[in-house]
Amino acid sequence: DAGVTQSPTHLIKTRGQHVTLRCSPISGHKSVSWYQQVLGQGPQFIFQYYEKEERGRGNFPDRFSARQFPNYSSELNVNALLLGDSALYLCASSSPREGNNEQFFGPGTRLTVL
Amino acid sequence: EDQVTQSPEALRLQEGESSSLNCSYTVSGLRGLFWYRQDPGKGPEFLFTLYSAGEEKEKERLKATLTKKESFLHITAPKPEDSATYLCAVQAAGGGNKLTFGTGTQLKVEL
Repeated sequence: DAGVTQSPTHLIKTRGQHVTLRCSPISGHKSVSWYQQVLGQGPQFIFQYYEKEERGRGNFPDRFSARQFPNYSSELNVNALLLGDSALYLCASSSPREGNNEQFFGPGTRLTVL
Repeated sequence: EDQVTQSPEALRLQEGESSSLNCSYTVSGLRGLFWYRQDPGKGPEFLFTLYSAGEEKEKERLKATLTKKESFLHITAPKPEDSATYLCAVQAAGGGNKLTFGTGTQLKVEL
């Protein structure tokens, strides 16, 4: 079975531009979460979506937005990019069931803002 | 606010030299504690979930344990391929799927 997939693998943007990152969850998983990982740090929670609804939001500015589609894939959008947005963006999928809240991560998208 | 502190920040072991990684946490009602392995430039790879104090889980050379304040990841007779960053995360009751991560322990196992 395919794991979580993310695209693109790498992305270079300049300050002020916007970016769209994409994620496809494991087949059968209905929940997708997005994380930002700056070099040398642990991942930080940005959003969770479940059944196309936002279920959680981390401490990130409104420049960050996301959505989930009927097939449970998801997009993360970042507007007005700043140098500090350079990071590895991770998507995690899970199948929330009673007693099972394990999250499985994709390979990430490396975003560089110049 | 949920917090996770991992120690040491970095650890260098000789092949076969067993050791333990520590994860201390504060959380408003623990729903689960997670261990992940992360190789450079890649996404975290799921290892274990622990749900209650006293629980233990094992996988090959790794064993995770949990108390009310901390978790340990014991590595027995490590091999060079165990070299990676090990991340600990907590999930709070009522917090949805949000994971709060520590900064990780960077493990290097040498021949």
